[in-house]
Amino acid sequence: GAGVSQSPRYKVAKRGQDVALRCDPISGHVSLFWYQQALGQGPEFLTYFQNEAQLDKSGLPSDRFFAERPEGSVSTLKIQRTQQEDSAVYLCASSLVPAARTQYFGPGTRLLVL
Amino acid sequence: GIQVEQSPPDLILQEGANSTLRCNFSDSVNNLQWFHQNPWGQLINLFYIPSGTKQNGRLSATTVATERYSLLYISSSQTTDSGVYFCAGVGSNFGNEKLTFGTGTRLTIIP
Repeated sequence: GAGVSQSPRYKVAKRGQDVALRCDPISGHVSLFWYQQALGQGPEFLTYFQNEAQLDKSGLPSDRFFAERPEGSVSTLKIQRTQQEDSAVYLCASSLVPAARTQYFGPGTRLLVL
Repeated sequence: GIQVEQSPPDLILQEGANSTLRCNFSDSVNNLQWFHQNPWGQLINLFYIPSGTKQNGRLSATTVATERYSLLYISSSQTTDSGVYFCAGVGSNFGNEKLTFGTGTRLTIIP
């Protein structure tokens, strides 16, 4: 079946612009995660959904970052008033059930803020 | 939260060589996984290995949970093995679902 998909794959934004990044998890997967990967680093956790409920948003770096998953499937990560330090790859992952063995990752959205 | 250390940070090998990558955890973890991030940025699941040893072709992995480390072995390296290898685990505190990643080992295989 289809894997996790993300769009857009690349996004260039001017500082101060708002951006929205989309994640389509594997069909039927309950858990959805967002991670941020800076250049040369490992991915770092941003937020976690179980169905439509956002159970953990402890990794969101500021109140400019907002995520939603209103129908328990597709998720959107929104960044308001982007800053240069927001430049990174944003990865989405899904797993079948909570505490599942494996998280499956999408290809990521590479965000560059100028 | 848990800390994850990977070594070596960089590894350059001739095609056909063998390699061992190591991952140390500061505390006990659940759901330990190894990933390969290819040059296009895609994270590919290699192993789910909370304990014991698994093998898949030229790759194998061993986790000694009581000593909080895991090893990834790559034999007869090929140029397609190049990329960054990450280990990651879920901290054992109740309700935690997030993966904590190491900083990775960048592997370059030279033809």
